[in-house]
Amino acid sequence: AQTVTQSQPEMSVQEAETVTLSCTYDTSENNYYLFWYKQPPSRQMILVIRQEAYKQQNATENRFSVNFQKAAKSFSLKISDSQLGDTAMYFCAFMNRGSAGNMLTFGGGTRLMVKP
Amino acid sequence: GAGVSQSPSNKVTEKGKDVELRCDPISGHTALYWYRQSLGQGLEFLIYFQGNSAPDKSGLPSDRFSAERTGGSVSTLTIQRTQQEDSAVYLCASSLFGNQETQYFGPGTRLLVL
Repeated sequence: AQTVTQSQPEMSVQEAETVTLSCTYDTSENNYYLFWYKQPPSRQMILVIRQEAYKQQNATENRFSVNFQKAAKSFSLKISDSQLGDTAMYFCAFMNRGSAGNMLTFGGGTRLMVKP
Repeated sequence: GAGVSQSPSNKVTEKGKDVELRCDPISGHTALYWYRQSLGQGLEFLIYFQGNSAPDKSGLPSDRFSAERTGGSVSTLTIQRTQQEDSAVYLCASSLFGNQETQYFGPGTRLLVL
């Protein structure tokens, strides 16, 4: 079974600055996907970024980028130029790339507050 | 196009009553998932549908929980004889085929059992 750990329950950052959220995971699988989801107070889980484990290049989406260290089983999210709208819970998630229809295994989440 | 929708948005019920939660996936998505988000347990997988069949029910916490999907579209999660520990946000997600695909989530149903 896979486990996902987010060691920072809460973080805060000043608007326009950069913040990094940590995520580590444990798996015996070699092919998998990793995700970061954002959950604002509206409850809607929104995909932020996705990384395929077989790709060495780190994924980026505008102000969001990841540092994927496969050997260390680490998958951190960097948010650049933080905006007030980035305030939310952030969840790291793992999906096994094996058989069809795999579920997501989530970390416990990090609550991020962006301060003006 | 429209995203995943869920109803009701909030549900308050009395202990022992049955409840039904509904999920409308994104049109054309064949895979549908139910998750539960609670304070004590975080986000947990409940059940997965591919079309109308449920090859993975491993996450259902007890036999009071059941789910069905009809017409390869709408899904209903039923909780019988609700207990206070069932209080949580129930999230539904869908993906195009289920394998290696990103899951897109609905806004969830917040269930409170008194």
